[in-house]
Amino acid sequence: DVKVTQSSRYLVKRTGEKVFLECVQDMDHENMFWYRQDPGLGLRLIYFSYDVKMKEKGDIPEGYSVSREKKERFSLILESASTNQTSMYLCASLGGRIYGYTFGSGTRLTVV
Amino acid sequence: GENVEQHPSTLSVQEGDSAVIKCTYSDSASNYFPWYKQELGKGPQLIIDIRSNVGEKKDQRIAVTLNKTAKHFSLHITETQPEDSAVYFCADKEGNNDMRFGAGTRLTVKP
Repeated sequence: DVKVTQSSRYLVKRTGEKVFLECVQDMDHENMFWYRQDPGLGLRLIYFSYDVKMKEKGDIPEGYSVSREKKERFSLILESASTNQTSMYLCASLGGRIYGYTFGSGTRLTVV
Repeated sequence: GENVEQHPSTLSVQEGDSAVIKCTYSDSASNYFPWYKQELGKGPQLIIDIRSNVGEKKDQRIAVTLNKTAKHFSLHITETQPEDSAVYFCADKEGNNDMRFGAGTRLTVKP
C-alpha cells in the first residue's frame, strides 16, 4: 500500500516562528498536495506539485510556501506563523494507476 | 474552484439503521467521485469511488449512487455499526484537475 508519512502529529509553535511541515511518500507518485482542514470548511488546497521543483498555488496559498527538491518529499513552510494558521494540515499524494488521493495522518498545528 | 455541497453536516443514527449522505457538484465535466472516511486523529481514507460512466457501485455495506443529470451523488451505509462513526467527505474531480471536497459529514452511530 502507498504510504504517506507526515513527520509530526502535533506541533505547537509561537507567532512569528518559521515552521516546516514535512511529508514523504513511498510510491514514486508525481503529484503531491497540501491541504488544511478546519471545522465547517472541509479541506482547502494550499499548494500542490506535479513534479520535482515544480509548485502551483492552490486556493489559499497566502502565508505559505512549499519545497519539492526530491520526488518523495513535499514540504510546507509557514514563513512567519500566525494564530489563524492554527489548523490540521493534511498531505496527500496521487500517481500511478490510483485515481484517488492517499492522505497522511495529518499534523495538528497550534500557533500561540 | 467550484465547491461541492455536502449534506447533512451532522448525522446521528441508531446502530443497524441506514445512513445517507448527499453531495451536489457543479462542474458537468467532473468524472470521478470518491468518498473518504476520516476517523479521529487520522487522515482521510478512500472507502469507495465511482466514475461518471457508472450509476451505482457497491462494496459490502457501502454503496455510492450517481445522478449525472442532477449532478448529485450519494453515499449509502446500511446496517450501520459504531465503528462507522467518523467524518465522511465527498469529492469530485475532472481529468487532471484538482480534487474538490465537500465540507464533511460527522456521522455518529449510537449503540
